[in-house]
Amino acid sequence: AQKVTQAQTEISVVEKEDVTLDCVYETRDTTYYLFWYKQPPSGELVFLIRRNSFDEQNEISGRYSWNFQKSTSSFNFTITASQVVDSAVYFCALSEYYQGAQKLVFGQGTRLTINP
Amino acid sequence: DGGITQSPKYLFRKEGQNVTLSCEQNLNHDAMYWYRQDPGQGLRLIYYSQIVNDFQKGDIAEGYSVSREKKESFPLTVTSAQKNPTAFYLCASSMGVSTYEQYFGPGTRLTVT
Repeated sequence: AQKVTQAQTEISVVEKEDVTLDCVYETRDTTYYLFWYKQPPSGELVFLIRRNSFDEQNEISGRYSWNFQKSTSSFNFTITASQVVDSAVYFCALSEYYQGAQKLVFGQGTRLTINP
Repeated sequence: DGGITQSPKYLFRKEGQNVTLSCEQNLNHDAMYWYRQDPGQGLRLIYYSQIVNDFQKGDIAEGYSVSREKKESFPLTVTSAQKNPTAFYLCASSMGVSTYEQYFGPGTRLTVT
């Protein structure tokens, strides 16, 4: 069965530090999608990125970057020059096909606290 | 504005009562989902619907029921059969059930005492 592991339960850094959130996944599918979501204190999950299994190029969006390595089944997320507003719980998720539909399998999340 | 609305934000019920959580979307998405989140845990799928008048059980459907009579609406009923109903419930939608990203509503925090 599909599985997503976010080994870091909580991370706390000082503002302006760089921080990397780890995500390791298990799947038997040859085609799959990986996602990152942000959950601020308000509770709503905010979509950050979707990456398909055939595209191993790293992606950068402003202070955010993602490193996808199929060889190690990892899809790590780095925030450069962190800010207090980055404080949230971050979830990594993996697509799983189930009864003709896509399910998302979520990791347990990493609570990131950026201290001023 | 396009988006997903869930109401109410906080809901309190006595044990033994059924309660219905609302989820509405105006994104014209075909697929809708219900997740449950417990403290310190990831999201677990309760039910999902690919099209109107059709829905499937997710990983933890026992004690829950849904309906999909309209494309825009996917209400979730937490029945008295659900042993541990206190949780944060999130509704989501996506363009289809293939590989599209899911967009989430603000959630409903249900407390049952």
